[in-house]
Amino acid sequence: AQSVAQPEDQVNVAEGNPLTVKCTYSVSGNPYLFWYVQYPNRGLQFLLKYITGDNLVKGSYGFEAEFNKSQTSFHLKKPSALVSDSALYFCAVSYVETSKIIFGSGTRLSIRP
Amino acid sequence: KAGVTQTPRYLIKTRGQQVTLSCSPISGHRSVSWYQQTPGQGLQFLFEYFSETQRNKGNFPGRFSGRQFSNSRSEMNVSTLELGDSALYLCASSSTSSSGNTIYFGEGSWLTVV
Repeated sequence: AQSVAQPEDQVNVAEGNPLTVKCTYSVSGNPYLFWYVQYPNRGLQFLLKYITGDNLVKGSYGFEAEFNKSQTSFHLKKPSALVSDSALYFCAVSYVETSKIIFGSGTRLSIRP
Repeated sequence: KAGVTQTPRYLIKTRGQQVTLSCSPISGHRSVSWYQQTPGQGLQFLFEYFSETQRNKGNFPGRFSGRQFSNSRSEMNVSTLELGDSALYLCASSSTSSSGNTIYFGEGSWLTVV
């Protein structure tokens, strides 16, 4: 079955420190992987995606993610967190066989000053 | 370029009523997807339309339906509303229905059922 998991409901990081938001996916065909961010009372905003090629993907607002096929993971990272990065982050997956995008449960990122 | 527009943004309905939500995709986008977001269930896929045809459907009861018009605008309808239908309904559009295509979300329609 196609699925994506975000094992942490909440991640707390001090401003200026590196941050990681974890995501793993089920192995079923060739996955396409996405990260989206949601600010309070807003829709989701696209951050980055992995389709093929370089395993390290760079996206908006200084975020990047690394595709790891052996560990079936696609963790979101940023070298230096900002308070304004505090939001709800969603990992998502789709497969070659279907255009449907499946979202993880979301991780709330809290950056303290 | 205007983004995905959803109307209305907020609405309150009574149990048993029906509701219609509207979505205008980004100009040139032909695929529209709908999602329900609740604190308990997270983001759940409702259905996807491409060129007026339903391409994919999530695991929701038949009370939830949708359609897409020739100009790619889409509507979703929920009949016989239940308290549990209270949620943020998100519409997303993309240029094609191909896998790997980025979808872009609207701000959502907040539905409260009382």
